[in-house]
Amino acid sequence: AQKITQTQPGMFVQEKEAVTLDCTYDTSDQSYGLFWYKQPSSGEMIFLIYQGSYDEQNATEGRYSLNFQKARKSANLVISASQLGDSAMYFCAMREAFEAAGGTSYGKLTFGQGTILTVHP
Amino acid sequence: DVKVTQSSRYLVKRTGEKVFLECVQDMDHENMFWYRQDPGLGLRLIYFSYDVKMKEKGDIPEGYSVSREKKERFSLILESASTNQTSMYLCASSNIILAVSSYEQYFGPGTRLTVT
Repeated sequence: AQKITQTQPGMFVQEKEAVTLDCTYDTSDQSYGLFWYKQPSSGEMIFLIYQGSYDEQNATEGRYSLNFQKARKSANLVISASQLGDSAMYFCAMREAFEAAGGTSYGKLTFGQGTILTVHP
Repeated sequence: DVKVTQSSRYLVKRTGEKVFLECVQDMDHENMFWYRQDPGLGLRLIYFSYDVKMKEKGDIPEGYSVSREKKERFSLILESASTNQTSMYLCASSNIILAVSSYEQYFGPGTRLTVT
């Protein structure tokens, strides 16, 4: 079963408008973290925003906000006032606990399929 | 600035060759990861290491092995490269992390491997 699902292979938005990128996740854990990364055409992965499962407020970082709906298991990324430089691939990811040999618990990050965002002038 | 470097940006190898992809981080991070990225599939975890000489299988370990002899270096090995291993390979590192930790993973620039 897919742990992280991004149902929008591609999205288009006009410059200066807002856009929402969808992400749903599947976990039975109570403790987990949700991340969004941006990957421009140059290939580097850029961390954008984080939301912990216990956080009651939606995370915000500048023009990025995360619409966290825990009961629906969704963690949509909202980009306000889109800029041409926002054109990129966007990945949603979830960190869950992983128990390594010896019993120590670590976090393991699982990514969605990605959404290509294109911003039109 | 955290820096994760990978030995090559582009690599072309022949089927059956043994391939080494090297990753080095300079922030004394305990955890290191190898992912492959394919269109429509996102990033999939191959192996990770949470300490020197320790390794754990990720979601798609078949056909790969890893080595971590020093804290800063994590190598991905394709024992006998096949065409279905043509992909973008991304290395990442982070501090020791719990599930709800906000610590981000820092990624290298990626190696685009083509197996012919």
